[in-house]
Amino acid sequence: DGGITQSPKYLFRKEGQNVTLSCEQNLNHDAMYWYRQDPGQGLRLIYYSQIVNDFQKGDIAEGYSVSREKKESFPLTVTSAQKNPTAFYLCASSIAWGDTQYFGPGTRLTVL
Amino acid sequence: AQSVAQPEDQVNVAEGNPLTVKCTYSVSGNPYLFWYVQYPNRGLQFLLKYITGDNLVKGSYGFEAEFNKSQTSFHLKKPSALVSDSALYFCAVRDEGYNNDMRFGAGTRLTVKP
Repeated sequence: DGGITQSPKYLFRKEGQNVTLSCEQNLNHDAMYWYRQDPGQGLRLIYYSQIVNDFQKGDIAEGYSVSREKKESFPLTVTSAQKNPTAFYLCASSIAWGDTQYFGPGTRLTVL
Repeated sequence: AQSVAQPEDQVNVAEGNPLTVKCTYSVSGNPYLFWYVQYPNRGLQFLLKYITGDNLVKGSYGFEAEFNKSQTSFHLKKPSALVSDSALYFCAVRDEGYNNDMRFGAGTRLTVKP
């Protein structure tokens, strides 16, 4: 997990609230990613960013938003439009798009 | 489009025995293949990757994987399993095309019994 931090580790949200998950890396990586992990489904790509000030939708972007204003930061906002947000969220980074990805420790989001 | 399959949800082995976790893939071009391990409530840790070259790739913690192009497989192996190897293992593939993202398998839970 070294070099990539995610906070908080656990997050609880009431229905109708937006929440923002933090992801920071000090590896000087250009590319960053957000995945959602559900039991038995592996990892699904939410958003990715190949370079600062640019990001693209992944397979399941609906109900999520991101920004990439700084190279080291890639926060994910889970909006009230996401109907089933309870999951384990993983952030990753790589030197460049397509290179080996290194993961943060994850944030477990629970909707109450 | 690329895809990856891990045909076994669960693999059980006895400590000291060899272990194999299976992975098959499908790509249009040449594959880049990866193995990751995940311990409970943690992120994924990179184990090893195949890009090109020798079909047998050695990685962290004594793990290795064999790339087999004819069988489109990339099975993870270890000669002697440890109880501490018990975890969730993910295979991932990326087609060498520039804009292709990485696809992960559903994961295989490895349990090593003492």
